[in-house]
Amino acid sequence: DSGVTQTPKHLITATGQRVTLRCSPRSGDLSVYWYQQSLDQGLQFLIQYYNGEERAKGNILERFSAQQFPDLHSELNLSSLELGDSALYFCASSVRRTDSPFGNTIYFGEGSWLTVV
Amino acid sequence: LAKTTQPISMDSYEGQEVNITCSHNNIATNDYITWYQQFPSQGPRFIIQGYKTKVTNEVASLFIPADRKSSTLSLPRVSLSDTAVYYCLVGDIGGATDSWGKFQFGAGTQVVVTP
Repeated sequence: DSGVTQTPKHLITATGQRVTLRCSPRSGDLSVYWYQQSLDQGLQFLIQYYNGEERAKGNILERFSAQQFPDLHSELNLSSLELGDSALYFCASSVRRTDSPFGNTIYFGEGSWLTVV
Repeated sequence: LAKTTQPISMDSYEGQEVNITCSHNNIATNDYITWYQQFPSQGPRFIIQGYKTKVTNEVASLFIPADRKSSTLSLPRVSLSDTAVYYCLVGDIGGATDSWGKFQFGAGTQVVVTP
C-alpha cells in the first residue's frame, strides 16, 4: 500500500459527460502528480501541484483541469469526455527522503479506471 | 532534463539475475535515479533510488558508475512474479528545480520471466 488513495476505482460514463477523480496524497506530502495511461501506452504526465499551486503542466487537454485543495487532496476534472479518454488515471505524491539532502521519492496510487462509452 | 534510454524488453528464466541498464547521458547534478516496477493495471511501484555508487535493498541493487551517465538495476534470482515493466527515471524530485513533473515516463523495459 503506497498510502496514496484514489477514488473511484472504476467509472463508466458516456461521451460528452464530465467526471471528477479524487486523490488523497500520503500524509504530509505536498506534491501531487496526475498521469494518464491508455491501454498499451506509457504513462503520460498531465499536471503537478505543490501545496495548492500548479507547478508543472504536461500533455493535459484543455477539457481537463485539476486543483489541489488546502487539505492537500487533489481532484482531476475531465469534461466533454470522448472515447479516447478511456484510460487509467494515476495520482502520485512525493515524499522527502530523510536520509539525503535532496531527492524525493514518488509513490503512486492504484489508479482510477475510466471507461467512456 | 535527462532523457533516458533502456531496452524495450528482456527475457529471463526463473532463478537468474536480471540486469537492466539505463542510459542518461545528460543527467544533472541534482538528479536522482529512480526505478519503478509496474504490473498491468496497477500503479508503478517504487523499487529503488540512488545518486551514485551502489544502493541495495531487499528487492534489488542499483549500480551507478562515477560519471552517472548510466545505471543498472539488478534483480537477483527472479521469479515469475517479477514479470513486469521496469521504468528508469531521472530527475530532481521535489527539489529546487523539481524537474520530475516535466519528465515523461519512457516505454520502460518489459521483463518476462519464464519457468
